[in-house]
Amino acid sequence: DSGVTQTPKHLITATGQRVTLRCSPRSGDLSVYWYQQSLDQGLQFLIQYYNGEERAKGNILERFSAQQFPDLHSELNLSSLELGDSALYFCASSPRQERSFNSPLHFGNGTRLTVT
Amino acid sequence: GQQLNQSPQSMFIQEGEDVSMNCTSSSIFNTWLWYKQDPGEGPVLLIALYKAGELTSNGRLTAQFGITRKDSFLNISASIPSDVGIYFCAGFLNYGGATNKLIFGTGTLLAVQP
Repeated sequence: DSGVTQTPKHLITATGQRVTLRCSPRSGDLSVYWYQQSLDQGLQFLIQYYNGEERAKGNILERFSAQQFPDLHSELNLSSLELGDSALYFCASSPRQERSFNSPLHFGNGTRLTVT
Repeated sequence: GQQLNQSPQSMFIQEGEDVSMNCTSSSIFNTWLWYKQDPGEGPVLLIALYKAGELTSNGRLTAQFGITRKDSFLNISASIPSDVGIYFCAGFLNYGGATNKLIFGTGTLLAVQP
């Protein structure tokens, strides 16, 4: 058990809808990362938050947004869903970052989103 | 999206055989990580490498951070059936300071026949 909790485990919704994925990081971790994993694209970095602030952005669509709350949990909002958004969405967390050291990420078990 | 080149794409081996996979990039990475992913689960950290040339072991697993900082390899010795899964390399593009991106390789699917 990585200590990173993601809910829900599965989500089935229709095109055009909006969903919210939730992530609770490991106790004490300040950074939260979101990744999308699809069969043809592998693990793609979406966005990173550190202590409530957005820190790095990857290939995140404008229809997607995220935030990290004061209690450090994070939500990923996906709107105007398309069939191609069907994928596994992973959250990962890491501790406080040092300037010359990268702490490894620890991943949750993901949310499987199916858009029909 | 940006990804690391990982090879081989898949491996089908007999139990007891040794396995080797590697990851290369045109970019310099400051940290290399190796993860294993089982079906329906998230990636699990196997080994972390922090210095060029570093060789680190975790049980039957050994990984090295390439001298050029553009590559890394993972070896698994005496494979067993539970080694089955997808193995990913991953690299940090820059040092922390609260802003960093972990980029993943394309993955190596390992199948072990008893």
